Amino acid sequence: QVQLQESGPGLVKPSQTLSLTCTVSGASISSGNYYWSWIRQPAGKGLEWIGRIYTSGSTNYNPSLRSRVTISVDTSKNQFSLKLNSVTAADTAVYYCARYRLNFDYWGQGTLVTVSS
Amino acid sequence: QSVLTQPPSVSGAPGQRVTISCTGSSSNIGAGFDVHWFQHLPGTAPRLLIYGNTNRPSGVPDRFSGSKSGTSASLAITGLQAEDEADYYCQSYDSSLSGFFVFGTGTKVTVL
Repeated sequence: QVQLQESGPGLVKPSQTLSLTCTVSGASISSGNYYWSWIRQPAGKGLEWIGRIYTSGSTNYNPSLRSRVTISVDTSKNQFSLKLNSVTAADTAVYYCARYRLNFDYWGQGTLVTVSS
Repeated sequence: QSVLTQPPSVSGAPGQRVTISCTGSSSNIGAGFDVHWFQHLPGTAPRLLIYGNTNRPSGVPDRFSGSKSGTSASLAITGLQAEDEADYYCQSYDSSLSGFFVFGTGTKVTVL
C-alpha cells in the first residue's frame, strides 16, 4: 500500500521560507515513471496545484507560483520536498503531497501551514 | 484560482441519486483532457474516485459513475449512503496559463 506523509513546521513567519517534506512508503520514488506533486488548499477555498518533480529531477511549476517555488527529490531517503519563499498570509493552507502518472492516485493526509508573525 | 466550476452543495436522502457538475472551458475539459474526481473528508487524504472521465479504481463502489460532454463533466452517486457525505472535487489539465493541473471549486454532498 502506497502511503505519503507530509512533515514540516506548522508556523512560518511572513517573508520567510516554507519548507515541507513528503516521505513515501510502499513504493520507490525513483521507479515507475511517476511524478511527485505538491498541492495546497487555503481554508474555505479550492485545491491549487503547486508543482511536480520527476525522478530525473525535472520540474514543472504553477505559473502563478513559479518565481517562489522549488521542488526537489532525495531518492536515497525516498522523499521529495517543497520550498516556498517570501511567504505571506495568503500562503496559509493545508499542503498535500501526491503521486501522479495519469492521475493523482495517492495523496498524503495534508499538513496545515500557517503564515503569521 | 479554481477554473473548474462546481455547485457548492448538493443533498439527497439515503437511496437517492445525486449528480455533481463540473464546468470548464475550451482550454481544459473542452480541449479533450481527461476529468478525474476525488472524494475528500476533512483531515484525511483525498481519495481518487473516478479517473479518465468514467473509470473507477478498484475498491470504489459502482454507485459512483462519471461522464463527460463538451466543456463539462458530471459525477453521479446512486443509492446515496450516509458514508458518502463528503466534499467532492473534479480535476483536469489546462493548456492555458492557469497551470498544468486545475481543480474544481468543490461540492459538499449532504445526506439528509
